[in-house]
Amino acid sequence: KAGVTQTPRYLIKTRGQQVTLSCSPISGHRSVSWYQQTPGQGLQFLFEYFSETQRNKGNFPGRFSGRQFSNSRSEMNVSTLELGDSALYLCASSFLAGLAYEQYFGPGTRLTVT
Amino acid sequence: DQQVKQNSPSLSVQEGRISILNCDYTNSMFDYFLWYKKYPAEGPTFLISISSIKDKNEDGRFTVFLNKSAKHLSLHIVPSQPGDSAVYFCAASDGGTSYGKLTFGQGTILTVHP
Repeated sequence: KAGVTQTPRYLIKTRGQQVTLSCSPISGHRSVSWYQQTPGQGLQFLFEYFSETQRNKGNFPGRFSGRQFSNSRSEMNVSTLELGDSALYLCASSFLAGLAYEQYFGPGTRLTVT
Repeated sequence: DQQVKQNSPSLSVQEGRISILNCDYTNSMFDYFLWYKKYPAEGPTFLISISSIKDKNEDGRFTVFLNKSAKHLSLHIVPSQPGDSAVYFCAASDGGTSYGKLTFGQGTILTVHP
């Protein structure tokens, strides 16, 4: 099976702009989660989508939003970019393995805000 | 409030020896635990997981131990190989209400010397 793919891999934006990142999950996986990784904060959960519905949300401002399409592909959007939004954005797709979901990550999108 | 903690930022081990990576958690609702390995500029790679109903799970050179009373888990790698050098993240899930959400520790940098 193909793994999780994320596009673009690298992105440079300026403050105030908005950005959209895309994630294609592993075939058959219906859950897609997004994480932000920064040197200071580590890996932090943004939100999770399942069957086109947001099922869980982390503690991020409303500038961070997402959606999921009927084919399970997901996008996340960040509006009014700030310097502090520079990070590696990781997408993970999940399947139910017994009692819990095991998550498989894509390579990430490196966002730099200048 | 860091619910998952990896108190050792780094660990250095000789090739062929055992590597032991530790992780503590505070949230008693966590019932599924995972270990991931991460290389720079890549997404985390799933290694091994354990449910709270078990105290040990093995997969090849990797064994995870869970001590629920101490809220502690550890990953043993035997024998360690230079290719194991990476950042290792411990993650936890509260499957009951937080489906696709993983809470990560800050990571431990493992260096295996030839």
